[in-house]
Amino acid sequence: GIQVEQSPPDLILQEGANSTLRCNFSDSVNNLQWFHQNPWGQLINLFYIPSGTKQNGRLSATTVATERYSLLYISSSQTTDSGVYFCAVGETGTASKLTFGTGTRLQVTL
Amino acid sequence: DTGVSQDPRHKITKRGQNVTFRCDPISEHNRLYWYRQTLGQGPEFLTYFQNEAQLEKSRLLSDRFSAERPKGSFSTLEIQRTEQGDSAMYLCASSLDSYYGYTFGSGTRLTVV
Repeated sequence: GIQVEQSPPDLILQEGANSTLRCNFSDSVNNLQWFHQNPWGQLINLFYIPSGTKQNGRLSATTVATERYSLLYISSSQTTDSGVYFCAVGETGTASKLTFGTGTRLQVTL
Repeated sequence: DTGVSQDPRHKITKRGQNVTFRCDPISEHNRLYWYRQTLGQGPEFLTYFQNEAQLEKSRLLSDRFSAERPKGSFSTLEIQRTEQGDSAMYLCASSLDSYYGYTFGSGTRLTVV
């Protein structure tokens, strides 16, 4: 099956700092989503982004499908951004079945 | 619509007992998914439905697991003869179609003692 690797595994930031999270995948995809799992376990969909660039407030994401990676940018981080960020991909032909990466654990401190 | 609802939030059961979880998706979503998440890992796919049809099941879903979505609305996931290895968070999600973002519920945390 498809492999999904995320980096870095852990990240500690001071409030106000910017960060870039990376997701590499091993095969062609036609579904890619970024999620934030907050400290209470709720998974929140951030972006549906199989290709191209999207922005939502302080967050933006870029997927370069031909090079098999996606990036999530967090600007001016806040303590509420803490949690685990997951990239999940659907292989071409099985788009409904998402394979999740192991996540990036982000801690934003004051 | 208040999102995807799961019930119960927590379930503690003795090994060997049967348990059933319920998921109510967003009403206009025709796709419904079940995932399982263990501590420190990302969610793992179990199965998904398009309307009432179960279209794919993971090899993780042993014969002790069964899922239904009668009438294409809510879904149930049943685990028979629970084992300690079944302890996990069971997550339900729904989407409008394959090429739309998922909305996850809050999950059901199962502890098998």
